[in-house]
Amino acid sequence: GAGVSQSPSNKVTEKGKDVELRCDPISGHTALYWYRQSLGQGLEFLIYFQGNSAPDKSGLPSDRFSAERTGGSVSTLTIQRTQQEDSAVYLCASSRGLAGATTQYFGPGTRLLVL
Amino acid sequence: AQSVTQLGSHVSVSEGALVLLRCNYSSSVPPYLFWYVQYPNQGLQLLLKYTSAATLVKGINGFEAEFKKSETSFHLTKPSAHMSDAAEYFCAVSVERGGNKLTFGTGTQLKVEL
Repeated sequence: GAGVSQSPSNKVTEKGKDVELRCDPISGHTALYWYRQSLGQGLEFLIYFQGNSAPDKSGLPSDRFSAERTGGSVSTLTIQRTQQEDSAVYLCASSRGLAGATTQYFGPGTRLLVL
Repeated sequence: AQSVTQLGSHVSVSEGALVLLRCNYSSSVPPYLFWYVQYPNQGLQLLLKYTSAATLVKGINGFEAEFKKSETSFHLTKPSAHMSDAAEYFCAVSVERGGNKLTFGTGTQLKVEL
């Protein structure tokens, strides 16, 4: 079946612009996660959604970052007023639930470059 | 809070040689442990995971890992390296009440030489 898809695959933007990154999870997966992979910070958790529960935003690095998940499926990560330090690969993952051992399936990522 | 330490950011082995990638974890509650592999310009793919059942876990592509609580380790091994194993490997930890959030190590780049 189809895996997790993300778009765009690459995004180049100018400092100060807003960007939106999209994630389509595996059908039927109730949990959706965003991670960031950067040279300086490695792989770090940003936010997760589970069903209709309030999202866990504890990993978002600043209030310029926000995310939403519409209809329990597609998610959009928005970065406002981008900075050069936001340059990274943004990975989305989905899983069947939140149990600690549930496998997360990752998308190919969106590579963001802020000039 | 949980953490993972991967010793050796770069490991180089000869084709056919043993692969050993080290991972140590820290957790105040029983952990779940994962190894993911990332090929260039791709997302992460699960190799194997420890879920408190068997301590020796077998995964895909001939990899296995052993959970050793006394050593707080979860090292990844493969008896014989193939050229196709060249990639970056990440160890990660989660806990039952942590919302399944993964905390990753810094990764180990594996190089396989002829």
